[in-house]
Amino acid sequence: ETGVTQSPTHLIKTRGQQVTLRCSSQSGHNTVSWYQQALGQGPQFIFQYYREEENGRGNFPPRFSGLQFPNYSSELNVNALELDDSALYLCASSLTGTGETEAFFGQGTRLTVV
Amino acid sequence: AQSVTQPDIHITVSEGASLELRCNYSYGATPYLFWYVQSPGQGLQLLLKYFSGDTLVQGIKGFEAEFKRSQSSFNLRKPSVHWSDAAEYFCAVGLPSGTYKYIFGTGTRLKVLA
Repeated sequence: ETGVTQSPTHLIKTRGQQVTLRCSSQSGHNTVSWYQQALGQGPQFIFQYYREEENGRGNFPPRFSGLQFPNYSSELNVNALELDDSALYLCASSLTGTGETEAFFGQGTRLTVV
Repeated sequence: AQSVTQPDIHITVSEGASLELRCNYSYGATPYLFWYVQSPGQGLQLLLKYFSGDTLVQGIKGFEAEFKRSQSSFNLRKPSVHWSDAAEYFCAVGLPSGTYKYIFGTGTRLKVLA
């Protein structure tokens, strides 16, 4: 296990609703990244948070937003859910500022939009 | 633009046979390189990583990978596959400049025949 925990593990929402996913980063890590993995695809980078600020964003619309808290945990919020938002959402924690580093992934939250 | 290509969507091998999964990347410099494995409905487990130095890297579960700069490749190998290796395998590059994010390939699904 990586020490990165995500909640909930599964979630079903209706189109148009809003959802919040949570991630606790590995102890000592200061950076959290979020990825979306659609069925049959590789994970796609959504955004990254470092020192409680967004530090890079992939090709996702503004209805995908996030937060990072002082303890480095993070939330991913998605507004106005669409059917295509159904995916596995992965959180990854890492340590910025140490050069060669790797990200550790959580088990993911499976979001189904109906 | 940066990209990762895994040309084999599906691979089937017999238990005990050797395995090679291909990965090619497009990036202006040498990225950090990773192989992850994902079992159905699960998160990503790191098999091995390359940052610099020796181009042949050893990982967990008997896997190894070789970085070939001239071919922009990072192929994963295992001399003898076990039935428990059946899973999806993702190659990823980590971009060491700017926002440290991963770009993933689309994955190779491995089936192992008894």
